[in-house]
Amino acid sequence: DAGITQSPRHKVTETGTPVTLRCHQTENHRYMYWYRQDPGHGLRLIHYSYGVKDTDKGEVSDGYSVSRSKTEDFLLTLESATSSQTSVYFCAIKPGQGDTGELFFGEGSRLTVL
Amino acid sequence: SQKIEQNSEALNIQEGKTATLTCNYTNYSPAYLQWYRQDPGRGPVFLLLIRENEKEKRKERLKVTFDTTLKQSLFHITASQPADSATYLCALDNTGGFKTIFGAGTRLFVKA
Repeated sequence: DAGITQSPRHKVTETGTPVTLRCHQTENHRYMYWYRQDPGHGLRLIHYSYGVKDTDKGEVSDGYSVSRSKTEDFLLTLESATSSQTSVYFCAIKPGQGDTGELFFGEGSRLTVL
Repeated sequence: SQKIEQNSEALNIQEGKTATLTCNYTNYSPAYLQWYRQDPGRGPVFLLLIRENEKEKRKERLKVTFDTTLKQSLFHITASQPADSATYLCALDNTGGFKTIFGAGTRLFVKA
């Protein structure tokens, strides 16, 4: 158990509303990631963080922002949700220095935008 | 652009046989390659990692090969069991390793 908690686990919202997903870890790992998973596309990296207040974009970052004010929390925000952002969102951490090694994933947050 | 290809068609095999899954990539020079297992409704779980200078790696009934010339990895499950039924994801990391990219996965069904 990598001590990763995602919240909420399920959310239904309407187009145009803001949404924030939270990833919480208990082991002070430096590297944290947000992915989305869609049928036929697999996991795609949205944003990642390599420390408090240090974040960078992934391959599908448009429409998303992130914040990391504490080591343990990595927040993903959809400022104005669209139907194309309906997806399953996974948070992950990478132990160590981040230059090698596996990812540990949370259980996912299923978001439906109507 | 960087691309990882895994067979999108499900693989159906009989219990006890060896399952072989393929991962091909283009426009990428990975420092290492990983395989993950994902069950429905769950997050992916790490299985094996192989580095660019390694040809083969084994863990119990799992074997991974990595051919950087062919830009291909093969993932084998020997003596497969129904409990091995899941989606298997291939993932690549470049030198630096800050961004891991994933293939779409191959669904494996093992029939008793």
